[in-house]
Amino acid sequence: ETTVTQSPASLSMAVGEKVSISCKTSTDIDDDMSWYQQKSGEVPKLLISEGNTLRPGVPSRFSSSGYGTDFVFTINNVLLGDEGIYYCQQSDNVPFTFGSGTKLEIK
Amino acid sequence: EVQLVESGGGLVKPGSSLTLSCVASGFTFSSYGMHWIRQAPKKGLEWIALIYYDSSNKYYADSVKGRFTISRDNSKNTLYLEMNSLRSEDTAMYYCAKSGLGTWYFDFWGPGTMVTVSS
Repeated sequence: ETTVTQSPASLSMAVGEKVSISCKTSTDIDDDMSWYQQKSGEVPKLLISEGNTLRPGVPSRFSSSGYGTDFVFTINNVLLGDEGIYYCQQSDNVPFTFGSGTKLEIK
Repeated sequence: EVQLVESGGGLVKPGSSLTLSCVASGFTFSSYGMHWIRQAPKKGLEWIALIYYDSSNKYYADSVKGRFTISRDNSKNTLYLEMNSLRSEDTAMYYCAKSGLGTWYFDFWGPGTMVTVSS
């Protein structure tokens, strides 16, 4: 089983700042990492899929990078509406595993 | 527009059974792998089961293997999760989710159905 270690657990940022979230996997997963946003009381939403591919309709402020075992999710110029919990997920092998989540608060 | 709508959740006692359903629309259901994912209250996301587009393969998380069964009826555009021997730790919101074509990320999610296991 591939373990996904996500950090930090929480972030408090001001509007306009840059957010960086890390996910590290216990096995090499190529670029089979995706990123989700879950706002309070809502269903998770896919932001970035495998291969660091921005999903249709997702602002270009969101991006990701990484290959192998180290991955980074970035939000440039963070907005108040970006508050929520962000999860990474590996899709290389079953069981598909999620990171533990990063709670983003906007000050 | 892709839509996934789960149903069948509720309050049940430990050891009992429950079957969840997910009705899909807005895409060719029979072409996509489908998943069940759950989220315990105030906790993170846990993938629990995958079924291939043609039911040829099924995979489960260890936490539910042997107790839960995923299935689908492509003629009814419906995904199922049969849950047996339910435990308090199965209490969660259960989401059905669609795979990307030929991939295993989750590009659309239903609103979820809540399962509470309590005596």
